[in-house]
Amino acid sequence: DSGVTQTPKHLITATGQRVTLRCSPRSGDLSVYWYQQSLDQGLQFLIQYYNGEERAKGNILERFSAQQFPDLHSELNLSSLELGDSALYFCASTPGLTGELFFGEGSRLTVL
Amino acid sequence: GENVEQHPSTLSVQEGDSAVIKCTYSDSASNYFPWYKQELGKGPQLIIDIRSNVGEKKDQRIAVTLNKTAKHFSLHITETQPEDSAVYFCAASGNNFNKFYFGSGTKLNVKP
Repeated sequence: DSGVTQTPKHLITATGQRVTLRCSPRSGDLSVYWYQQSLDQGLQFLIQYYNGEERAKGNILERFSAQQFPDLHSELNLSSLELGDSALYFCASTPGLTGELFFGEGSRLTVL
Repeated sequence: GENVEQHPSTLSVQEGDSAVIKCTYSDSASNYFPWYKQELGKGPQLIIDIRSNVGEKKDQRIAVTLNKTAKHFSLHITETQPEDSAVYFCAASGNNFNKFYFGSGTKLNVKP
């Protein structure tokens, strides 16, 4: 158990809908990363937050947004969902800006 | 941005044999190279990492080598065991750890 909690574990929704994925980092970790893993694909970096502030952006679509709250949990919002958004979404945390990422078990999103 | 390529995509070895996974990267500013193991239904977990001031690092049956001039690094697993079966990801990052770029993954199957 990495200590990173992601909810929900599974989510099925329809095209055009909006969903919110939640991540609780390890206790004390200030930095949160979001990654997308599509079928047979690697991990695509979406966005990183550090202590509530956005630090880095990757290939995150404009339909997607995220935030990190004062209690350090983070949410990834996906809107106007398309079939291609079906994927496993991972959250990872680190204590600060250090090397090791601690990943949650992911939220599997299926868009029908 | 950084581009990390990983080969092979699948690797099947007999128990006790060695396994080698190779990655190349494009950004010469990258100086931290971790390897993650992802078991079925789990998030990736760090197994070993190497920084650019080191050419090789070992941890029991696992070793990583880095050639900064050629911009490639490799994971070596000796005396493979069935529990080594998983998907392995290489990654690259710069000093600030704001972004981690992952390879596409290698599915390792160790046959008993």
